[in-house]
Amino acid sequence: QKEVEQDPGPLSVPEGAIVSLNCTYSNSAFQYFMWYRQYSRKGPELLMYTYSSGNKEDGRFTAQVDKSSKYISLFIRDSQPSDSATYLCAMSTGANSKLTFGKGITLSVRP
Amino acid sequence: DAGVIQSPRHEVTEMGQEVTLRCKPISGHDYLFWYRQTMMRGLELLIYFNNNVPIDDSGMPEDRFSAKMPNASFSTLKIQPSEPRDSAVYFCASSRGNGEKLFFGSGTQLSVL
Repeated sequence: QKEVEQDPGPLSVPEGAIVSLNCTYSNSAFQYFMWYRQYSRKGPELLMYTYSSGNKEDGRFTAQVDKSSKYISLFIRDSQPSDSATYLCAMSTGANSKLTFGKGITLSVRP
Repeated sequence: DAGVIQSPRHEVTEMGQEVTLRCKPISGHDYLFWYRQTMMRGLELLIYFNNNVPIDDSGMPEDRFSAKMPNASFSTLKIQPSEPRDSAVYFCASSRGNGEKLFFGSGTQLSVL
């Protein structure tokens, strides 16, 4: 079993839809959880960063962590065509530990 | 700040040739990472440096791969000899600390024919 599993997609939604992206993991030592967004022909960029369980909101984006279920989610409200990108989850066991990435899911928001 | 700068953006080479990828991290960042991204395997960490010293190279696939960081503003990833299965996008990233926000370059698209 891979340490981090992410739905392979791709995912296509109409503009304005609510999008839910998910990752599961097997290593219970993971404490730091991140979502990176990667546009075509670009490097990933950090979108959301959370520590331990709970929710974090930033504009139209909400990151949710459920450590008991080893499950993290990224919600995008009122999705826009500009949200079309690949989204990668990433996690680490500590502040000074290397990141383990999911394989990413490609999202397309149709105008 | 110009961000992490990688060169070349694209590299096409023939099997058996030497390939050198270059990276300039963000000034003041103490950590530098080399990643490889493929559809099959996603984003894989190859090696990372702290203050120019290699810390973990367990992700380097085999002896054909080597990386150096001669100073705080420059790093290279070399593949010799290259093989078709090395075809991927190679990313360099830097950060202030391990586990902190990673800043990625735009990557080098490598094609080995």
